[in-house]
Amino acid sequence: AQTVTQSQPEMSVQEAETVTLSCTYDTSESDYYLFWYKQPPSRQMILVIRQEAYKQQNATENRFSVNFQKAAKSFSLKISDSQLGDAAMYFCAYRSASRGAQKLVFGQGTRLTINP
Amino acid sequence: GAVVSQHPSWVICKSGTSVKIECRSLDFQATTMFWYRQFPKQSLMLMATSNEGSKATYEQGVEKDKFLINHASLTLSTLTVTSAHPEDSSFYICSALIPGTEGNTIYFGEGSWLTVV
Repeated sequence: AQTVTQSQPEMSVQEAETVTLSCTYDTSESDYYLFWYKQPPSRQMILVIRQEAYKQQNATENRFSVNFQKAAKSFSLKISDSQLGDAAMYFCAYRSASRGAQKLVFGQGTRLTINP
Repeated sequence: GAVVSQHPSWVICKSGTSVKIECRSLDFQATTMFWYRQFPKQSLMLMATSNEGSKATYEQGVEKDKFLINHASLTLSTLTVTSAHPEDSSFYICSALIPGTEGNTIYFGEGSWLTVV
């Protein structure tokens, strides 16, 4: 079974600075998807960024980018120019690309605090 | 705008009664929906996968008779907590798989807080 590990329960960063959240995963599959979700105090799960395993290029979405290292099974999230609104729980998630295996496997989460 | 809508956002029920939570996909047909439970300061725990027109697939350890899941249409899945007890109090959140999007993106509802008194 696939597992996702987030080794940083909490992180903090100064506003406008850059922070990197770590995520590693374990799988025997070669085709899969990786995601970062943000959960603010409202508890709404918001998709931040998605990476397809077959793509070598790292995904970027404005201030958010990932460092996808397939061989190392690592998928870190970099937030540039941190803003107060970035404060939230961040969850890394894995999903198989196989038909019928659509569920997301989540990591434990990292609570990100932004210091003004 | 919201892609998946969940209702109610908050519900309080008496111990021993049943409560239903709805999850609707907006403007698309969701053949697959997922139900999660989230304990305080913890990650999301998948309870079951709901496929339209068929029985839900429950994760190990989840009581099928207690957490009834129905996916009768392509836009609606419901979770019914039967004979609720205080230990069932939690945050429940649904998600829907949007077919046709790259990677079949999964979007989440707003979640429902259940308090059993």
